[in-house]
This record gives sequence, C-alpha cells and structure tokens, in this order.
Amino acid sequence: GAGVSQSPSNKVTEKGKDVELRCDPISGHTALYWYRQSLGQGLEFLIYFQGNSAPDKSGLPSDRFSAERTGGSVSTLTIQRTQQEDSAVYLCASRRTGLNTEAFFGQGTRLTVV
Amino acid sequence: AQSVTQPDIHITVSEGASLELRCNYSYGATPYLFWYVQSPGQGLQLLLKYFSGDTLVQGIKGFEAEFKRSQSSFNLRKPSVHWSDAAEYFCAVGNNDMRFGAGTRLTVKP
Repeated sequence: GAGVSQSPSNKVTEKGKDVELRCDPISGHTALYWYRQSLGQGLEFLIYFQGNSAPDKSGLPSDRFSAERTGGSVSTLTIQRTQQEDSAVYLCASRRTGLNTEAFFGQGTRLTVV
Repeated sequence: AQSVTQPDIHITVSEGASLELRCNYSYGATPYLFWYVQSPGQGLQLLLKYFSGDTLVQGIKGFEAEFKRSQSSFNLRKPSVHWSDAAEYFCAVGNNDMRFGAGTRLTVKP
C-alpha cells in the first residue's frame, strides 16, 4: 500500500478483555516497529521485527503483551487482560532494510481501557 | 544500549525567532540519527536524517541539524520560526532498531 496502515484507529475495551492491534507495513519493508505513546509522553519502544523474527523484545512492558509477524508483512500486537494503564496510542512503523533508510509511521491505534 | 535524551520538555519562542532543540544520544557505533515532528492530531513526519558524510544536514520546512560526534549530539535548528512550527519534536537514533527521545513540545508566541 501507499503507507503504513493500522487498524482499528480507535478501540475501547473493558478492563480484563484481550485486544489485537494490526499493522500493515509498506510493501517491501522488512523492518517493523511497535511503539506506545501515552498522553503527553514520548514514544516508548515495544518491539522490533526484522522479517518475521524479533531480535529485540526488550520493550514489551509485561507478559500480557505479545506480538507476531507473519509472511514478513502484517504484524499483530496482542494485549491480554487489559488494564487501564494500557490506555495509549499504539504506533507502528516500517522501514526498508538497507543503508540510508528511515521509518514511516502509521496513524496509530488509540486504545482506551474502561 | 542505545538511548536518546531530549533535555528540554517544553520550549516557547516568538514567531520569527531562531530555534534550537537539543538531542544527545548514546550509541555504540556511528548512529543513524533522525528528527521527526508530530503536529496535533497528526502522525509522525520525518524532518531530516543523518547517515554519514556532511555533518550538517538539511531537512524539510527550513530545518537543519548538525551531528557532533565529540558531543554525541544532533541538535535541530531553524533560523526563523513560523507559527505553524508549533508541534512536538522527537529525536531518534538507530541503525536497525530505533529509539526515540521523550520529545520537546514547541510553542510559538505571536
């Protein structure tokens, strides 16, 4: 596609429910990133994929968070047993591997846990 | 581990004044460095990037940044700020994975 696509754009869920957030990267981009941006805060690194593997999962806040990527394309971030502190905007970015490349961001998914 | 520090949480400048936003990084090798801007309700847009070569890089909207290896800095500058520059600015570092600073919010006074 023309850009990084994230769905849904908004998600309201009840505390304790599981949610799945989806990211469709730019075609041909092998690197994919997930970040969390809480209200008025910076971008908190969650996880980074190179192809289907995740060399760096260090940013996942707890074992309730997991992510996968299949076919070197679409990625899903899953949050189990959501809590109110999980409320934030979740941003996805993709990047073409190689020299001199930058990341392109999606519009994000705004997650509200009530 | 790589990290980015943006010391200024919030900066206010008058329209037409010059601007400098600070960014310091920690990285084991020669880093790729970026500045992104996030306007209210908008996504993140790349302003400029440094990979190698000339340490003064030009970006969009009249912004520039200078890479100083000795100071581990990549400060963003603009000679004359416009009201439309009011936004959140993020510095980032990373050759494979990418880490962002906490951001600097810029307010522009008329």
